[in-house]
Amino acid sequence: GAGVSQSPRYKVAKRGQDVALRCDPISGHVSLFWYQQALGQGPEFLTYFQNEAQLDKSGLPSDRFFAERPEGSVSTLKIQRTQQEDSAVYLCASSLGPGGLGNQPQHFGDGTRLSIL
Amino acid sequence: AQSVAQPEDQVNVAEGNPLTVKCTYSVSGNPYLFWYVQYPNRGLQFLLKYITGDNLVKGSYGFEAEFNKSQTSFHLKKPSALVSDSALYFCAVRDDGGDSWGKLQFGAGTQVVVTP
Repeated sequence: GAGVSQSPRYKVAKRGQDVALRCDPISGHVSLFWYQQALGQGPEFLTYFQNEAQLDKSGLPSDRFFAERPEGSVSTLKIQRTQQEDSAVYLCASSLGPGGLGNQPQHFGDGTRLSIL
Repeated sequence: AQSVAQPEDQVNVAEGNPLTVKCTYSVSGNPYLFWYVQYPNRGLQFLLKYITGDNLVKGSYGFEAEFNKSQTSFHLKKPSALVSDSALYFCAVRDDGGDSWGKLQFGAGTQVVVTP
């Protein structure tokens, strides 16, 4: 497809389970961002990849959160031992060039809505 | 540190009337500003950006935004609102810190309701 694709769209898990969220960026896009959007809030930055390199993970809320992009395209956000406060929409965005180029917009996927019971 | 404020939680406007969604920002360097729109259960859709140049920026779907450096504002405008413009609107500033890598900082969002 032409846009950013995320799967699954909805995920329900019991507290303590591990989850994995997938992001397929736009083909050829160098930069990939993950954001967390709590209900009624704006998205909050989690982590940034430039190709396969994770250059910024300052927004990851705890060491239970882990992200990878091993071949510089598809990315996976993993949350271990989920807790209720992890319930949110997780958004992935990609942009064409390196993240330092401020004139390029980020293109967002439709997100994964994660609910922890 | 960068920050963005959207002072209105909700804006109500009648179809055909002008629409304005307010945004103010605070940055330490040059501002890179963006507007996004979010429909229910969808991701954010890019509307327009200000990087440099003309203070009036034109974007998608008839939207425009006016950059005002002295007032540190970047208000989103549309001359004639449509019912289909009802959505959640986010203003964002690109973090321009040395190791920010272009991450966006978003406002809390403004819900726009356009009534027929």
